[in-house]
Amino acid sequence: GDSVTQMEGPVTLSEEAFLTINCTYTATGYPSLFWYVQYPGEGLQLLLKATKADDKGSNKGFEATYRKETTSFHLEKGSVQVSDSAVYFCALSENYNQGGKLIFGQGTELSVKP
Amino acid sequence: ETGVTQSPTHLIKTRGQQVTLRCSSQSGHNTVSWYQQALGQGPQFIFQYYREEENGRGNFPPRFSGLQFPNYSSELNVNALELDDSALYLCASSLSGDRYGYTFGSGTRLTVV
Repeated sequence: GDSVTQMEGPVTLSEEAFLTINCTYTATGYPSLFWYVQYPGEGLQLLLKATKADDKGSNKGFEATYRKETTSFHLEKGSVQVSDSAVYFCALSENYNQGGKLIFGQGTELSVKP
Repeated sequence: ETGVTQSPTHLIKTRGQQVTLRCSSQSGHNTVSWYQQALGQGPQFIFQYYREEENGRGNFPPRFSGLQFPNYSSELNVNALELDDSALYLCASSLSGDRYGYTFGSGTRLTVV
């Protein structure tokens, strides 16, 4: 079945460092891909998404490109801030526009130090 | 737009008991999904309701059941609670066909002792 694999955390960075969180997926079709963020004590917030190969999702300085050839959707940010400290989840969905379920990776905790 | 509200935020139950968790979906959203997030794990899909009927289910036993109501609210019921049911339960609502996708609530933290 479909699955998502993320790099293990926690990831600890200094403020203004470059961030990469790796995400690879396995899917039978052509899923939509997502990054969600979860701040302590809160639910999930959609950070960005891409619905087809070579699409780049971007939001709040974060970017990820849908790479079909490597089945990857790595999250990047050029300069992290303390406020970016959270848990980041990569996810996929088949048939997204018809209410397809989300399949999540295990999450990667990011801690940014001043 | 009022977002997704879940209640209660926390609760503690004893093994073998039954629990009902509630979710008030975003106005107009006709699809609601429930997820279980164990500590340190990603959310796992439990089931989804569309226009008050279940239209998808994950790998969860029948003691996990749900309801969706016409007023955009929904319930997750769990019978015969087990210790492994301790988790954060997330509700997500969406409008079918809406490319903007799911809005998640903050979750209910269930502890089974």
